[in-house]
Amino acid sequence: EVQLVESGGGLVQPGGSLRLSCAASGFSFKDAWMTWVRQAPGKGLEWVGRIKSKGSGGTTDYAAPVKGRLAISRDDSKNTLYLQINSLKTEDTAVYYCVWMTTAETPGYWGQGTLVTVSS
Amino acid sequence: QSALTQPASVSGSPGQSIAISCTGTSSDVGGYNSVSWLQHRPGKAPKLIISEVSKRPSGVSDRFSGSKSGNTASLTISGLQAEDEADYYCSSYTRSNTMVFGGGTQLTVL
Repeated sequence: EVQLVESGGGLVQPGGSLRLSCAASGFSFKDAWMTWVRQAPGKGLEWVGRIKSKGSGGTTDYAAPVKGRLAISRDDSKNTLYLQINSLKTEDTAVYYCVWMTTAETPGYWGQGTLVTVSS
Repeated sequence: QSALTQPASVSGSPGQSIAISCTGTSSDVGGYNSVSWLQHRPGKAPKLIISEVSKRPSGVSDRFSGSKSGNTASLTISGLQAEDEADYYCSSYTRSNTMVFGGGTQLTVL
């Protein structure tokens, strides 16, 4: 059974930093392209960024609004995906979902999400 | 990258069929056969119900079907059931090598 379990969310002050984790199981994580998607309160889903498998180059791509403040990384030895968010803004308040891309363009499996609240 | 356009809400009675549209541009929906549809119930993980425009993942009811014409994709749910009540999102690969989602459609089963 595929499982994606996010953690690391919480209340953070504007300007702060946070690292989210996603523990993956039930599939070959090292071969997987992984994506982060977020959903602000009352809003729709927003693509944040993606990391390819090391076999595909391990490169990252980010959405324009967050580029420069977010960094996606992975530890294949721990089957874990990470999202580092710096210089947090109130508009970063959202539930952050970890997604396994079952094809390059298909968001196949999703975690339950972790809530990040940016507020003073 | 602008979000894909979906109706904010649709509704139908049990047993009826409904369709949800998802309109983009030639740089996303119209340019690739990579439209997916997701079902999202409150407090749950989003669930993939259609991939690559019209493919149903294993275990997804055949009451769900997808199609595309030009820059608009559609999700049809036939034989509506109470359990279908949820938010539905479309997504597409884009020419910028990113992914874009629709704004979401709230389905109410009357």
